[in-house]
Amino acid sequence: NAGVTQTPKFRVLKTGQSMTLLCAQDMNHEYMYWYRQDPGMGLRLIHYSVGEGTTAKGEVPDGYNVSRLKKQNFLLGLESAAPSQTSVYFCASSFGGNIQYFGAGTRLSVL
Amino acid sequence: DAKTTQPPSMDCAEGRAANLPCNHSTISGNEYVYWYRQIHSQGPQYIIHGLKNNETNEMASLIITEDRKSSTLILPHATLRDTAVYYCIVANNFNKFYFGSGTKLNVKP
Repeated sequence: NAGVTQTPKFRVLKTGQSMTLLCAQDMNHEYMYWYRQDPGMGLRLIHYSVGEGTTAKGEVPDGYNVSRLKKQNFLLGLESAAPSQTSVYFCASSFGGNIQYFGAGTRLSVL
Repeated sequence: DAKTTQPPSMDCAEGRAANLPCNHSTISGNEYVYWYRQIHSQGPQYIIHGLKNNETNEMASLIITEDRKSSTLILPHATLRDTAVYYCIVANNFNKFYFGSGTKLNVKP
Protein backbone atom coordinates (compact mmCIF):
# COMPACT_ATOMS: atom_id res chain seq x y z
CA ASN A 1 0.00 0.00 0.00
CA ALA A 2 1.99 2.99 -1.28
CA GLY A 3 -0.57 5.68 -0.33
CA VAL A 4 0.00 8.87 -2.35
CA THR A 5 2.89 8.83 -4.84
CA GLN A 6 4.19 11.93 -6.61
CA THR A 7 6.31 11.91 -9.77
CA PRO A 8 8.91 13.37 -10.26
CA LYS A 9 10.53 14.22 -6.92
CA PHE A 10 12.71 17.00 -8.35
CA ARG A 11 12.65 19.03 -11.54
CA VAL A 12 14.40 22.07 -12.96
CA LEU A 13 12.72 23.98 -15.77
CA LYS A 14 13.60 26.99 -17.85
CA THR A 15 11.14 29.85 -18.07
CA GLY A 16 8.51 29.11 -20.67
CA GLN A 17 8.88 25.32 -20.59
CA SER A 18 5.96 23.09 -19.79
CA MET A 19 5.65 20.04 -17.59
CA THR A 20 3.18 17.75 -15.90
CA LEU A 21 3.30 16.54 -12.31
CA LEU A 22 1.67 13.20 -11.63
CA CYS A 23 -0.09 12.18 -8.44
CA ALA A 24 -1.29 8.62 -7.92
CA GLN A 25 -3.20 7.19 -4.96
CA ASP A 26 -4.09 3.57 -4.24
CA MET A 27 -6.62 4.17 -1.45
CA ASN A 28 -9.67 4.50 -3.72
CA HIS A 29 -10.21 8.07 -2.50
CA GLU A 30 -12.74 10.28 -4.24
CA TYR A 31 -11.11 13.63 -3.41
CA MET A 32 -7.70 14.75 -4.60
CA TYR A 33 -5.83 18.05 -4.17
CA TRP A 34 -2.80 19.94 -5.36
CA TYR A 35 -1.04 22.41 -3.03
CA ARG A 36 2.06 24.52 -3.31
CA GLN A 37 4.33 25.52 -0.45
CA ASP A 38 6.74 28.42 -0.67
CA PRO A 39 9.68 28.77 1.77
CA GLY A 40 8.59 29.48 5.34
CA MET A 41 4.93 29.43 4.46
CA GLY A 42 2.00 27.08 4.80
CA LEU A 43 0.38 25.16 1.99
CA ARG A 44 -1.94 26.88 -0.46
CA LEU A 45 -4.57 25.01 -2.45
CA ILE A 46 -4.15 25.22 -6.23
CA HIS A 47 -6.84 22.92 -7.60
CA TYR A 48 -8.87 20.02 -6.32
CA SER A 49 -11.15 17.26 -7.58
CA VAL A 50 -14.16 15.63 -5.96
CA GLY A 51 -14.22 12.67 -8.32
CA GLU A 52 -13.17 11.23 -11.66
CA GLY A 53 -13.73 13.74 -14.45
CA THR A 54 -14.22 16.73 -12.12
CA THR A 55 -11.87 19.58 -11.20
CA ALA A 56 -12.25 22.90 -9.42
CA LYS A 57 -10.13 25.95 -8.60
CA GLY A 58 -8.60 26.49 -5.22
CA GLU A 59 -6.93 29.53 -3.69
CA VAL A 60 -4.10 30.03 -6.23
CA PRO A 61 -5.10 28.42 -9.57
CA ASP A 62 -3.58 30.88 -12.06
CA GLY A 63 -0.90 29.40 -14.32
CA TYR A 64 -1.91 25.80 -13.63
CA ASN A 65 -4.26 23.27 -15.17
CA VAL A 66 -5.36 19.89 -13.86
CA SER A 67 -7.03 16.74 -15.10
CA ARG A 68 -8.61 13.74 -13.35
CA LEU A 69 -9.21 11.22 -16.14
CA LYS A 70 -8.83 8.27 -13.79
CA LYS A 71 -9.96 8.09 -10.18
CA GLN A 72 -6.50 7.17 -8.94
CA ASN A 73 -4.59 9.89 -10.81
CA PHE A 74 -4.55 13.68 -10.57
CA LEU A 75 -2.29 15.60 -12.96
CA LEU A 76 -1.02 19.14 -12.49
CA GLY A 77 0.19 20.95 -15.60
CA LEU A 78 2.30 24.05 -16.06
CA GLU A 79 1.89 25.25 -19.65
CA SER A 80 4.51 28.03 -19.53
CA ALA A 81 6.57 27.90 -16.37
CA ALA A 82 7.54 31.14 -14.62
CA PRO A 83 10.11 31.75 -11.85
CA SER A 84 7.19 32.56 -9.50
CA GLN A 85 6.16 28.92 -9.79
CA THR A 86 9.34 27.75 -8.09
CA SER A 87 7.96 25.90 -5.10
CA VAL A 88 7.34 22.55 -3.48
CA TYR A 89 4.18 20.92 -4.76
CA PHE A 90 2.18 18.50 -2.62
CA CYS A 91 -0.60 16.23 -3.69
CA ALA A 92 -3.16 14.85 -1.25
CA SER A 93 -6.20 12.61 -1.31
CA SER A 94 -9.09 11.97 1.04
CA PHE A 95 -12.08 9.69 1.27
CA GLY A 96 -14.70 12.11 2.47
CA GLY A 97 -13.08 15.49 2.15
CA ASN A 98 -11.68 15.91 5.66
CA ILE A 99 -8.65 13.80 6.60
CA GLN A 100 -6.12 14.28 3.83
CA TYR A 101 -3.18 12.01 3.08
CA PHE A 102 -0.21 13.71 1.48
CA GLY A 103 2.53 12.66 -0.89
CA ALA A 104 6.23 13.37 -0.34
CA GLY A 105 6.25 16.42 -2.60
CA THR A 106 7.83 17.58 -5.86
CA ARG A 107 10.51 20.24 -5.67
CA LEU A 108 10.34 22.44 -8.76
CA SER A 109 12.79 25.17 -9.72
CA VAL A 110 12.07 27.47 -12.64
CA LEU A 111 15.10 29.37 -13.88
CA ASP B 1 -7.92 34.27 5.40
CA ALA B 2 -6.18 33.93 8.77
CA LYS B 3 -8.75 31.89 10.67
CA THR B 4 -6.32 30.60 13.30
CA THR B 5 -3.51 32.12 15.35
CA GLN B 6 -0.58 30.03 16.56
CA PRO B 7 2.73 30.98 18.19
CA PRO B 8 5.54 30.79 15.64
CA SER B 9 7.71 28.51 17.76
CA MET B 10 7.86 26.55 21.00
CA ASP B 11 10.43 24.46 22.81
CA CYS B 12 9.80 21.27 24.73
CA ALA B 13 12.08 18.93 26.66
CA GLU B 14 12.18 15.33 25.49
CA GLY B 15 9.84 13.15 27.54
CA ARG B 16 7.72 16.07 28.65
CA ALA B 17 4.26 16.93 27.43
CA ALA B 18 4.09 19.43 24.58
CA ASN B 19 1.08 21.72 24.69
CA LEU B 20 0.47 23.62 21.45
CA PRO B 21 -2.16 26.37 21.60
CA CYS B 22 -4.38 27.64 18.80
CA ASN B 23 -6.82 30.53 18.78
CA HIS B 24 -9.79 30.39 16.44
CA SER B 25 -12.15 33.03 17.79
CA THR B 26 -14.21 33.29 14.59
CA ILE B 27 -14.94 29.57 14.28
CA SER B 28 -18.41 28.71 13.01
CA GLY B 29 -20.71 26.17 14.57
CA ASN B 30 -20.16 23.56 11.87
CA GLU B 31 -16.40 23.96 11.56
CA TYR B 32 -14.05 21.31 12.85
CA VAL B 33 -10.61 21.86 14.33
CA TYR B 34 -7.90 19.82 12.58
CA TRP B 35 -4.25 19.38 13.49
CA TYR B 36 -1.57 18.33 11.02
CA ARG B 37 2.18 18.32 11.32
CA GLN B 38 5.00 18.58 8.80
CA ILE B 39 8.32 17.00 9.66
CA HIS B 40 11.23 18.70 7.92
CA SER B 41 10.25 18.92 4.24
CA GLN B 42 7.93 15.92 4.13
CA GLY B 43 4.24 16.04 3.27
CA PRO B 44 1.92 17.06 6.12
CA GLN B 45 0.61 14.28 8.35
CA TYR B 46 -2.84 14.21 9.92
CA ILE B 47 -2.84 14.08 13.72
CA ILE B 48 -6.33 14.56 15.09
CA HIS B 49 -9.54 16.54 14.70
CA GLY B 50 -12.62 17.44 16.71
CA LEU B 51 -15.82 19.46 16.73
CA LYS B 52 -16.78 20.16 20.36
CA ASN B 53 -15.62 17.33 22.55
CA ASN B 54 -12.09 16.56 23.57
CA GLU B 55 -10.50 13.84 21.46
CA THR B 56 -7.65 11.40 21.99
CA ASN B 57 -5.90 8.98 19.69
CA GLU B 58 -2.61 7.14 19.67
CA MET B 59 -0.71 10.25 18.64
CA ALA B 60 -2.18 13.08 20.68
CA SER B 61 -5.03 14.65 22.60
CA LEU B 62 -7.11 17.61 21.48
CA ILE B 63 -8.67 19.89 24.06
CA ILE B 64 -11.29 22.35 22.77
CA THR B 65 -12.59 25.08 25.07
CA GLU B 66 -16.30 25.18 25.82
CA ASP B 67 -16.80 28.31 23.71
CA ARG B 68 -14.73 26.64 20.92
CA LYS B 69 -12.64 29.78 20.45
CA SER B 70 -9.39 28.05 21.21
CA SER B 71 -7.86 24.59 21.42
CA THR B 72 -4.71 22.85 22.58
CA LEU B 73 -2.92 19.92 21.01
CA ILE B 74 -1.15 17.77 23.58
CA LEU B 75 1.68 15.40 22.77
CA PRO B 76 1.91 13.52 26.09
CA HIS B 77 5.55 12.42 25.91
CA ALA B 78 7.40 14.37 23.25
CA THR B 79 10.32 12.71 21.48
CA LEU B 80 12.96 14.15 19.18
CA ARG B 81 10.98 12.76 16.26
CA ASP B 82 8.10 15.07 17.17
CA THR B 83 10.16 18.10 16.10
CA ALA B 84 8.03 19.54 13.29
CA VAL B 85 5.76 22.38 12.22
CA TYR B 86 2.28 21.89 13.64
CA TYR B 87 -0.70 23.36 11.80
CA CYS B 88 -4.06 24.13 13.37
CA ILE B 89 -6.85 24.37 10.78
CA VAL B 90 -10.54 25.13 11.13
CA ALA B 91 -12.73 24.03 8.27
CA ASN B 92 -16.07 22.59 7.32
CA ASN B 93 -15.28 22.01 3.66
CA PHE B 94 -12.33 20.27 2.09
CA ASN B 95 -11.64 23.24 -0.14
CA LYS B 96 -11.20 25.64 2.74
CA PHE B 97 -8.13 24.18 4.42
CA TYR B 98 -5.91 27.18 5.25
CA PHE B 99 -2.64 25.90 6.63
CA GLY B 100 -1.13 29.20 7.78
CA SER B 101 2.43 29.30 9.10
CA GLY B 102 1.94 26.90 12.02
CA THR B 103 4.04 26.44 15.17
CA LYS B 104 7.58 25.12 14.92
CA LEU B 105 7.98 22.71 17.84
CA ASN B 106 11.57 22.06 18.86
CA VAL B 107 11.96 19.02 21.09
CA LYS B 108 15.28 19.16 22.90
CA PRO B 109 17.21 16.36 24.61
